[in-house]
Amino acid sequence: QVQLVQSGAEVKKPGASVKVSCKASGYTFTSYDINWVRQATGQGLEWMGWMNPNSGNTGYAQKFQGRVTMTRNTSISTAYMELSSLRSEDTAVYYCARRGVNWNWFDPWGQGTLVTVSS
Amino acid sequence: DIQMTQSPSSLSASVGDRVTITCRASQSISSYLNWYQQKPGKAPKLLIYAASSLQSGVPSRFSGSGSGTDFTLTISSLQPEDFATYYCQQSYSTPEVTFGPGTKVDIK
Repeated sequence: QVQLVQSGAEVKKPGASVKVSCKASGYTFTSYDINWVRQATGQGLEWMGWMNPNSGNTGYAQKFQGRVTMTRNTSISTAYMELSSLRSEDTAVYYCARRGVNWNWFDPWGQGTLVTVSS
Repeated sequence: DIQMTQSPSSLSASVGDRVTITCRASQSISSYLNWYQQKPGKAPKLLIYAASSLQSGVPSRFSGSGSGTDFTLTISSLQPEDFATYYCQQSYSTPEVTFGPGTKVDIK
């Protein structure tokens, strides 16, 4: 079945960087964009950006421009999201999601990766 | 940027109730509106796409309607497993998307 499996929880200090992975299976990795969405505890969903695994093209929400980098390794069907200059407000669960072609829905989603930023 | 609002922000309902959640976009988004269900500690799950199309495997008690700026998600007969938070998402301005703030449905 189509599945996205993310890397495990991370604890980082302020100012550090974190890199979260998202491994795809059950479909052709290069055929669908991967998006990243985060959710702080008790809060809503915040879109961070997208990546085309075929071309490597990316687009980021203005809020994260300059701090986020999305990459991929097509040989292992894995997408990555790296966030730098971490601050306490970046503590959240980070999700990857596959975007549909026609109506741009997000399905499936990865299970989420908790990133905790604390000194 | 397209802003999304949802109402109510939360509601209490009983098993068997009919529940309606409203989502409004700050500008016309045609039918580029998707609905997700999220349970505590879990990733969001796609319920409805293109405003009214039921995702495969989703029970038929869920339905969506609307176009332009106003949309609704209806649960015809609330079941115990439906207690969750529901989010709308506009995908008109893809690749950028926006989510609504969510509606929490809990037990009365």
